[in-house]
Amino acid sequence: SQQGEEDPQALSIQEGENATMNCSYKTSINNLQWYRQNSGRGLVHLILIRSNEREKHSGRLRVTLDTSKKSSSLLITASRAADTASYFCATDGDSGGSNYKLTFGKGTLLTVNP
Amino acid sequence: DTAVSQTPKYLVTQMGNDKSIKCEQNLGHDTMYWYKQDSKKFLKIMFSYNNKELIINETVPNRFSPKSPDKAHLNLHINSLELGDSAVYFCASSQVWDKEGEQYFGPGTRLTVT
Repeated sequence: SQQGEEDPQALSIQEGENATMNCSYKTSINNLQWYRQNSGRGLVHLILIRSNEREKHSGRLRVTLDTSKKSSSLLITASRAADTASYFCATDGDSGGSNYKLTFGKGTLLTVNP
Repeated sequence: DTAVSQTPKYLVTQMGNDKSIKCEQNLGHDTMYWYKQDSKKFLKIMFSYNNKELIINETVPNRFSPKSPDKAHLNLHINSLELGDSAVYFCASSQVWDKEGEQYFGPGTRLTVT
């Protein structure tokens, strides 16, 4: 079944550096979403990119999507200690085109050291 | 002004017991979900309801029974709890036909079965 796989599993950087996380998936999608989860909290939606889009920006976030390679990347620029969290990609490839069902990857744990 | 709320936040119980987790959303969304996040942070959908109607049931043991009294509430009842049920359970909601399709998550309920 469709599943996103994030890479790397864990990433540790210094404040001010950029962080890049990758996501690969297996089946066709309508859109791909990225979520953040702070320790002990629920997931928070960051950004959605549609299958006909190649790049999207939101503040310090930049998401790219390459449907030919079935992959996406999330770039966080000028990272801050508050960006420390797990980041998940989610795809809708198993839901027949609706957003009724998202399949999440296993996440990348980002640690930003002050 | 909490968007998606869950109770309780923590639940510790013994094997064989029956327990319930409640979820409420005040976003006016039509669709609600239950997810299970295991100890490795893998997040997997369990159920989805749209306007009180079950639309996704992901090969979950029938010891788990969701109930949606109205579209703002989706409760999860678990019978005969087992050790393997220990996890964090997240409720989420979305307005499926909303153009962004993002999901809003509750804070989670950490269930520990001893």
